[in-house]
Amino acid sequence: DAKTTQPTSMDCAEGRAANLPCNHSTISGNEYVYWYRQIHSQGPQYIIHGLKNNETNEMASLIITEDRKSSTLILPHAMLRDTAVYYCIALTGTASKLTFGTGTRLQVTL
Amino acid sequence: GAGVSQSPRYKVAKRGQDVALRCDPISGHVSLFWYQQALGQGPEFLTYFQNEAQLDKSGLPSDRFFAERPEGSVSTLKIQRTQQEDSAVYLCASSPGGRSPLHFGNGTRLTVT
Repeated sequence: DAKTTQPTSMDCAEGRAANLPCNHSTISGNEYVYWYRQIHSQGPQYIIHGLKNNETNEMASLIITEDRKSSTLILPHAMLRDTAVYYCIALTGTASKLTFGTGTRLQVTL
Repeated sequence: GAGVSQSPRYKVAKRGQDVALRCDPISGHVSLFWYQQALGQGPEFLTYFQNEAQLDKSGLPSDRFFAERPEGSVSTLKIQRTQQEDSAVYLCASSPGGRSPLHFGNGTRLTVT
């Protein structure tokens, strides 16, 4: 699975959009981009995934560049409860053996 | 319950003791995973089951670690002769299989003293 690179930490004001970038320059054509987040003292929570088209669900939007070498997770109106570590993962085949890395620590502030 | 349940939530063991950590996956989920998460790090893969078959145990750090899922439902992760470096949060996840997202429990925090 392709290596992903994310900033270590980010801050976002409550109510603003949080844009979390992820680089995956070596991603192959059959690898999906998955996003999970982990709130303190909880297990990771699935957010969204995509292959090449942009995706949106009730939690977030995922924007994947045309060359698929990077993506951005967007939380349109960040809330305090969205404070968490966000993991971007490139994964081929079945959704098994996720390799998490260290993720981006998003702090949402008042 | 509606989610993945892990017990105990916290476990303190003296060095050298054996421990057993339990995972109750979501009913009907075929796939089950164990992860280890050290403080400040992302979760690291330990092992994977499909039903009762352990298909991948490449992440188990030593032969002191053993996992089983005898009836394809509940799973137990056993650690023999615990060492201080085994102190971590142990996470269990399940999924229906295929490309379905993983559902994680809240983990068992193991502290070896």
